[in-house]
Amino acid sequence: KQEVTQIPAALSVPEGENLVLNCSFTDSAIYNLQWFRQDPGKGLTSLLLIQSSQREQTSGRLNASLDKSSGRSTLYIAASQPGDSATYLCAVRPGDSSYKLIFGSGTRLLVRP
Amino acid sequence: GAGVSQTPSNKVTEKGKYVELRCDPISGHTALYWYRQSLGQGPEFLIYFQGTGAADDSGLPNDRFFAVRPEGSVSTLKIQRTERGDSAVYLCASSRLQMGNTGELFFGEGSRLTVL
Repeated sequence: KQEVTQIPAALSVPEGENLVLNCSFTDSAIYNLQWFRQDPGKGLTSLLLIQSSQREQTSGRLNASLDKSSGRSTLYIAASQPGDSATYLCAVRPGDSSYKLIFGSGTRLLVRP
Repeated sequence: GAGVSQTPSNKVTEKGKYVELRCDPISGHTALYWYRQSLGQGPEFLIYFQGTGAADDSGLPNDRFFAVRPEGSVSTLKIQRTERGDSAVYLCASSRLQMGNTGELFFGEGSRLTVL
């Protein structure tokens, strides 16, 4: 059974710091992995999607990497800003033709001015 | 519309009542998903529609939960005899599933259900 874990559960950093959020999954047979952002009381906003054949994706100050064999993905945020404060969720789509996403519990990020 | 739309945004009901939550997906998206998110947790899969049919309803917790998508667009999640444990945010998502598409999911803002 696929399980997704995100560490740390919460993170507080000063503005301007570069930071890394971690996501691990137990079954390396995945179709893709998606990172989302969730603001309090809001829905999920898709940040980056990495297909199983890809190693990384970049969007602006965000870079996500994927190491399928070790069951890990990282989300790198450069030059963090207070507006980056949110919960970041990673989700994997299993490779068994299942369409359901399996989510981690998220990392709650606070960027202090 | 431009994004996935969910109504109501907030619903407070009493234990034992019936509730309907509505989702209007992005135009042209054939796949529609319902997820449930409890406080401090990631979303959990409930049901997936491809067109009008429920292709996978394995996440529905029990027979009090039911969802329909009669015309392959708008979907309604129906909860009968609500219980306090049903309190959560119910999220809807949609995606394209044509050949060559990434299968990226786009989520709505969610419907927050509180059962008193």
